[in-house]
Amino acid sequence: EAGVTQSPTHLIKTRGQQATLRCSPISGHTSVYWYQQALGLGLQFLLWYDEGEERNRGNFPPRFSGRQFPNYSSELNVNALELEDSALYLCASSWSRAVTDTQYFGPGTRLTVL
Amino acid sequence: AQTVTQSQPEMSVQEAETVTLSCTYDTSESDYYLFWYKQPPSRQMILVIRQEAYKQQNATENRFSVNFQKAAKSFSLKISDSQLGDAAMYFCAYRSAVETSGSRLTFGEGTQLTVNP
Repeated sequence: EAGVTQSPTHLIKTRGQQATLRCSPISGHTSVYWYQQALGLGLQFLLWYDEGEERNRGNFPPRFSGRQFPNYSSELNVNALELEDSALYLCASSWSRAVTDTQYFGPGTRLTVL
Repeated sequence: AQTVTQSQPEMSVQEAETVTLSCTYDTSESDYYLFWYKQPPSRQMILVIRQEAYKQQNATENRFSVNFQKAAKSFSLKISDSQLGDAAMYFCAYRSAVETSGSRLTFGEGTQLTVNP
């Protein structure tokens, strides 16, 4: 069974540009979570999508947004990129929204903002 | 808000020896889940072990076991018979049992484990 996949592996952008990161959950999983792992800031929760709806978001500005498609894959968009957005972005998926369901992580997308 | 603290930024252990990684957390909730994830150099986060707060019995997974002390809000990970492949960054994480707020994992700062041959 394939795990969570993310693309691209690496992404280099300049300040002010937009970045789009993609995530495909494990087959059958309906919930997708996004986390940011920035140097010095640790792992922080960004967004949660379930059944196509945004269910919760972390303490991030509105220029961080995303969506979940009918096939449960997800996209994270970061607008007006700033240098401090440079980080590893991890996607995770779980079987459902139930808190008992474990989150399984993908390999991440490394975003570098120059 | 819940917080998770890992007070050991780095730990090292000799191959085949036992090591314990510490984690404390702060919460006012009575029902929650605790996790240990490992992140090797490949950067892929891998679930090591999970503990439900309502269970008094400590979770075990092969060479990995936890010491869950609910009253003390402590959740340590013991790795027995350490192997070179155990070398990684280990993160302790908390998840609320409340559905909406329970969507997120709150992570500690991480402990970098080195395994010496």
